[in-house]
Amino acid sequence: EPEVTQTPSHQVTQMGQEVILRCVPISNHLYFYWYRQILGQKVEFLVSFYNNEISEKSEIFDDQFSVERPDGSNFTLKIRSTKLEDSAMYFCASTQQGNRRVNTEAFFGQGTRLTVV
Amino acid sequence: TQLLEQSPQFLSIQEGENLTVYCNSSSVFSSLQWYRQEPGEGPVLLVTVVTGGEVKKLKRLTFQFGDARKDSSLHITAAQPGDTGLYLCAGGGGATNKLIFGTGTLLAVQP
Repeated sequence: EPEVTQTPSHQVTQMGQEVILRCVPISNHLYFYWYRQILGQKVEFLVSFYNNEISEKSEIFDDQFSVERPDGSNFTLKIRSTKLEDSAMYFCASTQQGNRRVNTEAFFGQGTRLTVV
Repeated sequence: TQLLEQSPQFLSIQEGENLTVYCNSSSVFSSLQWYRQEPGEGPVLLVTVVTGGEVKKLKRLTFQFGDARKDSSLHITAAQPGDTGLYLCAGGGGATNKLIFGTGTLLAVQP
């Protein structure tokens, strides 16, 4: 069964360092997303990406964050200068369609646990 | 701001009991998805409902979407320890169909 894969599963980084989280969405999906979940809190939307550009982003997704689809399969989230409060689980998701009421089911990866020390 | 409130937040029941989890909002959603999440893992999709009043069944799980597409419920019949987990509802809509997640219901089924 097709699945979204994320690497690494765990990342520990020092405050101020840059991190890149990687995702391989399901191959025939067109819309890609990043969400995050701070420990004990709900899952929050960060950004959506379609046709090689950001289609929507939340207030959390400030200038320290960027996304890229460097090739036909990978989708990355970069945090330029990590802060302690960036520590969270980061989930990548993809959907086949983005703006219709069918085929909008979002499939999530296993997540990357980012710890900023 | 769209918000989804789930109730109850925590639920601990005995094996064989029935339970219902509620997901409520003041906003209308194009679709509503239910996920189950295990500790340290990503949400796993259980079902998507898109039509007001729609009812979907997945073995012992019954999902309902409210007529006005603002609320949903998940009913589990004869709960089993394997049902233990965090249940999340998530409303979709808008141009990019980003998901707004509910606050979650942590279910523990005791054998």
